[in-house]
Amino acid sequence: AQSVAQPEDQVNVAEGNPLTVKCTYSVSGNPYLFWYVQYPNRGLQFLLKYITGDNLVKGSYGFEAEFNKSQTSFHLKKPSALVSDSALYFCASKTPGAGSYQLTFGKGTKLSVIP
Amino acid sequence: GAGVSQSPSNKVTEKGKDVELRCDPISGHTALYWYRQRLGQGLEFLIYFQGNSAPDKSGLPSDRFSAERTGESVSTLTIQRTQQEDSAVYLCASSPATSGSTYEQYFGPGTRLTVT
Repeated sequence: AQSVAQPEDQVNVAEGNPLTVKCTYSVSGNPYLFWYVQYPNRGLQFLLKYITGDNLVKGSYGFEAEFNKSQTSFHLKKPSALVSDSALYFCASKTPGAGSYQLTFGKGTKLSVIP
Repeated sequence: GAGVSQSPSNKVTEKGKDVELRCDPISGHTALYWYRQRLGQGLEFLIYFQGNSAPDKSGLPSDRFSAERTGESVSTLTIQRTQQEDSAVYLCASSPATSGSTYEQYFGPGTRLTVT
């Protein structure tokens, strides 16, 4: 069974500093990996995904994530945090292949960017 | 274009009552998913619809939960005899395709259910 871990319940970072939100996965084969963001009282918004190819993927709002197969990680990063980035971030995985459709989500990491 | 919509946005109900939650997927999306998000928790898969195929109900927590979808349109999630542990945000998502696809899921704003 696949699983996704987000080891930090909360991350605090000062505005303007780089941010990292960690994600590790346990999935057989080469998974599809996703990051979503959830603002208060809102649904999840898609940020970026890794399917294949370049290990560094760029997404919305200046976010990027690096797929590291040897460390089974897919950490979310941004060079300079904004207060408006404060939200709940979810990492998710999906097993490629016919018959696979379900996303497995991590428990989420609350990001607080301090002015 | 229009995204996934859900109604109502908030629902407060008394324990033991039935509730019905509605989801309108993005037009043309063949796949539809329901998730439950409890306070401080990740998303818990409930049920999945793909076109006219039989739905995957493996995530439904009890027989009090049921869902329907007609073709590739609106879906309703029904919870009968609600319990306090049913209090959560119920999220609906849709995607253009499913099995083996690389498409991401597009989420609605959710329905916050409170059972008193």
